[in-house]
Amino acid sequence: AQSVSQHNHHVILSEAASLELGCNYSYGGTVNLFWYVQYPGQHLQLLLKYFSGDPLVKGIKGFEAEFIKSKFSFNLRKPSVQWSDTAEYFCAVTPGYSSASKIIFGSGTRLSIRP
Amino acid sequence: NAGVTQTPKFQVLKTGQSMTLQCAQDMNHNSMYWYRQDPGMGLRLIYYSASEGTTDKGEVPNGYNVSRLNKREFSLRLESAAPSQTSVYFCASITGTGGFQPQHFGDGTRLSIL
Repeated sequence: AQSVSQHNHHVILSEAASLELGCNYSYGGTVNLFWYVQYPGQHLQLLLKYFSGDPLVKGIKGFEAEFIKSKFSFNLRKPSVQWSDTAEYFCAVTPGYSSASKIIFGSGTRLSIRP
Repeated sequence: NAGVTQTPKFQVLKTGQSMTLQCAQDMNHNSMYWYRQDPGMGLRLIYYSASEGTTDKGEVPNGYNVSRLNKREFSLRLESAAPSQTSVYFCASITGTGGFQPQHFGDGTRLSIL
């Protein structure tokens, strides 16, 4: 069965530190990739997405992610985190050309930023 | 523009009680989804509706029913609540059905079954 792995369950950083959250998926074909963020008490919001083109994708709030097909990875990065980045981050994947009902979410990474 | 609205935000039920979670979107989206979010497990799809008048099972449909009342509204019903259904429930919608489209989520319903 297809799966999405987020190996970091809880990451704690100080403000201004650099961030990288891992995401690996198991599907071997074309994929659509997403990172969603869930701020405390709020709904999930799209950070960025990739479905074709430049594998380095820039999203909102200074986040970016790189799709590395050979590694089945789509890691999320930010050069300098802020306290307001405290949230839970979810990676999600749909097989290419499939319907949105085939989406698979990772288990999430909780990010805590120390002021 | 409210986006996706879920009611209620919180609910406590006793085992065996029934309840309907409501979801409405004002973006004229065709597809709507119900997920449950459990600690350490991400979001799992319960049911979805690709268009008005159609509904299909997702990954974890047992114990739930849904109704796509019209294009705007998609409700989730628990006929006989069980403690295993304690979770946070999210409704989402997209304009089409394509897997490349990001989903728009509601604020969630936190449901506790005693």
